[in-house]
Amino acid sequence: ILNVEQSPQSLHVQEGDSTNFTCSFPSSNFYALHWYRWETAKSPEALFVMTLNGDEKKKGRISATLNTKEGYSYLYIKGSQPEDSATYLCAFIAPFWAGGTSYGKLTFGQGTILTVHP
Amino acid sequence: DAGITQSPRYKITETGRQVTLMCHQTWSHSYMFWYRQDLGHGLRLIYYSAAADITDKGEVPDGYVVSRSKTENFPLTLESATRSQTSVYFCASSELRGRVSLVLETQYFGPGTRLLVL
Repeated sequence: ILNVEQSPQSLHVQEGDSTNFTCSFPSSNFYALHWYRWETAKSPEALFVMTLNGDEKKKGRISATLNTKEGYSYLYIKGSQPEDSATYLCAFIAPFWAGGTSYGKLTFGQGTILTVHP
Repeated sequence: DAGITQSPRYKITETGRQVTLMCHQTWSHSYMFWYRQDLGHGLRLIYYSAAADITDKGEVPDGYVVSRSKTENFPLTLESATRSQTSVYFCASSELRGRVSLVLETQYFGPGTRLLVL
């Protein structure tokens, strides 16, 4: 079982604060890393697919960076708003083989629970 | 309707009964996944499928059976339900980015099935 770890487990910030959290993953055999945003009582929604070392992705106030050599990705939120409150999940892709063909397999971290207070 | 759907949305059953949770997607995505969500564990992968008739175990497969005879359907069966299988179950689908790549595009999640085993 692959070790995908996220830190911190939870985070409380005030509206307007900028914040960041970490996803750590095995640095060997890297294929891709996903970030998802998961609001309470809803389904997870995709934020980013990151594939190359040094990748930086941005979506509004949310951005992410990737370091495949050291095995980590950071997610940043600039000027947090109460609507940003959610669990942020990362997922690492590793291969599995079946019938002589390789396929991708996702392992999720446990998530960082972000609460933004007005 | 287009998208990914799960049925039933809510289910109450008794210990020892067989239960099947249905998942259907209309995008013809190759990959489909079943996760369970429990407090303190985030999303844990039960089983996944890379194509019709190709499935593999995730982190927590014991007590579950899957099949994928058609690309669009991925039913999850609890052979003999136990109280520890009380959970919220999410189905997801995804596609590869390029035919020879192992990079999966981000997953699209269904609305979830809340299962209570008494």
